[in-house]
Amino acid sequence: DADVTQTPRNRITKTGKRIMLECSQTKGHDRMYWYRQDPGLGLRLIYYSFDVKDINKGEISDGYSVSRQAQAKFSLSLESAIPNQTALYFCATSETGTRAHIAQYFGPGTRLTVL
Amino acid sequence: AQSVTQLDSQVPVFEEAPVELRCNYSSSVSVYLFWYVQYPNQGLQLLLKYLSGSTLVKGINGFEAEFNKSQTSFHLRKPSVHISDTAEYFCAVIDPTGGGNKLTFGTGTQLKVEL
Repeated sequence: DADVTQTPRNRITKTGKRIMLECSQTKGHDRMYWYRQDPGLGLRLIYYSFDVKDINKGEISDGYSVSRQAQAKFSLSLESAIPNQTALYFCATSETGTRAHIAQYFGPGTRLTVL
Repeated sequence: AQSVTQLDSQVPVFEEAPVELRCNYSSSVSVYLFWYVQYPNQGLQLLLKYLSGSTLVKGINGFEAEFNKSQTSFHLRKPSVHISDTAEYFCAVIDPTGGGNKLTFGTGTQLKVEL
């Protein structure tokens, strides 16, 4: 089984709808992240959480919210989806601690299309 | 703020030829550097990372990268590529003084290996 899973893998929705993307991990990591990927722009950080009680905005948090329900679960919500939120969304996790564990591990992605 | 530049958006190369994918970062402090690979319709996979120590870092699938502090570069190389190396490659950096391990990504380089 995959260590980092994302649901759904694909979603098509309409402008103004509320959408939730979910991420679960079995790696036991404390830190979790949400990124979006757009062609030619690479990945940009939306939100990140260093533990269940810690939520931080990334560089492009406007229009998004998150919830850290448990150590293993981190959800991303679009309260009122708009077409320019059409993108590939990735969840990632990492350990807290020594430099050797500083790498992030990514889920398979959710392709979201907002019509 | 950190930035990462991948000047080549696409690199075509013939199978069994060597390849170098360029990455430059902007920082005057010590950073942690990463290369990730994204195969078609998949998430990102860590290829290699530089945290400290030897400037030549070896990763998976025969890739290696060399950290050059004076040139603020972290170029990725492979002496002989295979068709299966066709993918998008992302360079990323973490500034450890930033209070957390937030990755800043480059815009990616599409490596296309041809017969």
